[in-house]
Amino acid sequence: GAGVSQSPSNKVTEKGKDVELRCDPISGHTALYWYRQSLGQGLEFLIYFQGNSAPDKSGLPSDRFSAERTGGSVSTLTIQRTQQEDSAVYLCASSLGDRTDTQYFGPGTRLTVL
Amino acid sequence: GQSLEQPSEVTAVEGAIVQINCTYQTSGFYGLSWYQQHDGGAPTFLSYNALDGLEETGRFSSFLSRSDSYGYLLLQELQMKDSASYFCAVTTDSWGKFQFGAGTQVVVTP
Repeated sequence: GAGVSQSPSNKVTEKGKDVELRCDPISGHTALYWYRQSLGQGLEFLIYFQGNSAPDKSGLPSDRFSAERTGGSVSTLTIQRTQQEDSAVYLCASSLGDRTDTQYFGPGTRLTVL
Repeated sequence: GQSLEQPSEVTAVEGAIVQINCTYQTSGFYGLSWYQQHDGGAPTFLSYNALDGLEETGRFSSFLSRSDSYGYLLLQELQMKDSASYFCAVTTDSWGKFQFGAGTQVVVTP
């Protein structure tokens, strides 16, 4: 079956522009996670969804970051007025929804802000 | 604050055994997971411990001691393909929020 997909795979943008990153989770997975990974670093938790609800948004770095999930499926992460420090790989993962469940990661979106 | 500590790098030869330790200090604890990530790839799940003790999956084993806030991943019979970064992650709430460590780069040499 299909895994987690993310689009675009690469995004180059100019400082100050808005970007939208998309994640398609595995069908049937109720939990969806967004992480950020800078070069050579660990995974920084951003936000997660159970269904369409986001119980914890505390990981979002600033109010320029927002995320939504509709229909319990696709999620979009929006970064407004991008800054150079936003450059990173943004990873999405999904799981069946139990906290013990394996997270399946997508290939990531590499964002470069010039 | 919350923290997960693991060594930044470990080097070993093919066929050897490597142990990657992870100590954690988090506001909540529901389980400890391990993920592998090859350069340029996405993290993939290796193991999960919710209770104390050792879990074995092929060449990889994972251990947890909740009283010590400590766990480790044991890689046996190292192969070149095991060269990757390994992350420990703690599930910190009942909804499934994860906190990841900074990762350990394992370098396997011939």
